[in-house]
Amino acid sequence: HSVLTQPPSASGTPGQRVTISCSGSSSNIGSNPVYWYQHIPGSAPQLLISRNNQRPSGVPDRFSGSQSGTSASLAISGLRSEDEADYFCATWDDSLNSRVFGVGTKLTVL
Amino acid sequence: QVHLQQWGAGLLKPSETLSLTCAVNLGSFSGYYWSWLRQPPGKGLEWIGEINDSGNTYFNPSLKSRLIMSLDTSKNEFSLTLSSVTAADTAFYYCARLQGPLTVAGLRYFDYWGQGSLVTVSS
Repeated sequence: HSVLTQPPSASGTPGQRVTISCSGSSSNIGSNPVYWYQHIPGSAPQLLISRNNQRPSGVPDRFSGSQSGTSASLAISGLRSEDEADYFCATWDDSLNSRVFGVGTKLTVL
Repeated sequence: QVHLQQWGAGLLKPSETLSLTCAVNLGSFSGYYWSWLRQPPGKGLEWIGEINDSGNTYFNPSLKSRLIMSLDTSKNEFSLTLSSVTAADTAFYYCARLQGPLTVAGLRYFDYWGQGSLVTVSS
């Protein structure tokens, strides 16, 4: 099982705001920054959010990230059909001395 | 634009050795960690390990005993070897580059990925 817990699925209609959660522990999210990636099957994952809440150049401001305690979340506002993808969180775990991931959340735009 | 191209055997029998190589089209290996990850069908990503051009490595403890990672700066390639495979090693395998400080693992993130390749272990 994945060290970081994400809901397996999420959905919304165009224009809506959707939030995806990522829950961990004190040794991972509680101690290290969280990164969010978008993965469209058949292509390489793309970094969406760096260090909890920073958007790399080129990422629309519709995407935002936050972190509090041992949880993090990714918010997507103004949902668009091209946002349909898998989203996963990642961080470092100090106890496991490993990079850890969430299982990924499949976002469906209805 | 950095491009990672990976290759290796796609079908293995139990107890055989998995070998994958990833070539980087431009730039230097210096200043980065280079990583392997995998994703079993229907499951989440699993980090396998990472290596830099000084030979420093971080390995997933659950795979460490079967794992070798190497890097050839003359060819701009890095490789993964995983011995004694079982069906549990069946997965899509990805190579990727890690961006960020060499001294703090938690501040590195993946910025470029290979295309991924399916490795199936079956008798």
